Amino acid sequence: AQSVAQPEDQVNVAEGNPLTVKCTYSVSGNPYLFWYVQYPNRGLQFLLKYITGDNLVKGSYGFEAEFNKSQTSFHLKKPSALVSDSALYFCAVRDIRLTGGGNKLTFGTGTQLKVEL
Amino acid sequence: DVKVTQSSRYLVKRTGEKVFLECVQDMDHENMFWYRQDPGLGLRLIYFSYDVKMKEKGDIPEGYSVSREKKERFSLILESASTNQTSMYLCASSLRPGGNLGYTFGSGTRLTVV
Repeated sequence: AQSVAQPEDQVNVAEGNPLTVKCTYSVSGNPYLFWYVQYPNRGLQFLLKYITGDNLVKGSYGFEAEFNKSQTSFHLKKPSALVSDSALYFCAVRDIRLTGGGNKLTFGTGTQLKVEL
Repeated sequence: DVKVTQSSRYLVKRTGEKVFLECVQDMDHENMFWYRQDPGLGLRLIYFSYDVKMKEKGDIPEGYSVSREKKERFSLILESASTNQTSMYLCASSLRPGGNLGYTFGSGTRLTVV
């Protein structure tokens, strides 16, 4: 079975400060890991993914995430937050050993990021 | 630009009605998914399909059915709508096998059952 935990329902940060949105995962094998962002009343948009290779992954809008295998974590980060980054963020995982139809991702419950002036 | 299109952004239906939510993708993706999103519960998988006329139950299929007659179209059907099916419904698609490519999502349909 595969699972994802986002321990924080909400993260508040001041504009210009660094931000971190936490994600931990559980898979039997090695993971594919994803971050998505959702703006109000919209679908989810892809931010970045970790498949293999460098543990630091860079994505859209200045976001990056660090894969830590020993801690089974994939935290989302940004050096300097913007008010426009305020949104709902989802982490997702897939065990690369899973075969068959669907390629199902398992999503976390989401973290609401609020960036204030 | 590749797209997943959900036919309605907002929908209001009455209890007991049969409701159809439509999703179309133009990326020739084999896999298609229906999720519902509720505050504090994240995304929960209702049904998915990995080929035409194929379907599999997700985590919460009760009260729903699906249809995939053509590769590009995946329909979610609420056989008899109930108020506890008021939710945001998200459609997504992906390549198969493509497990490392993630999903492309539609903009969502916010369904209210009164």
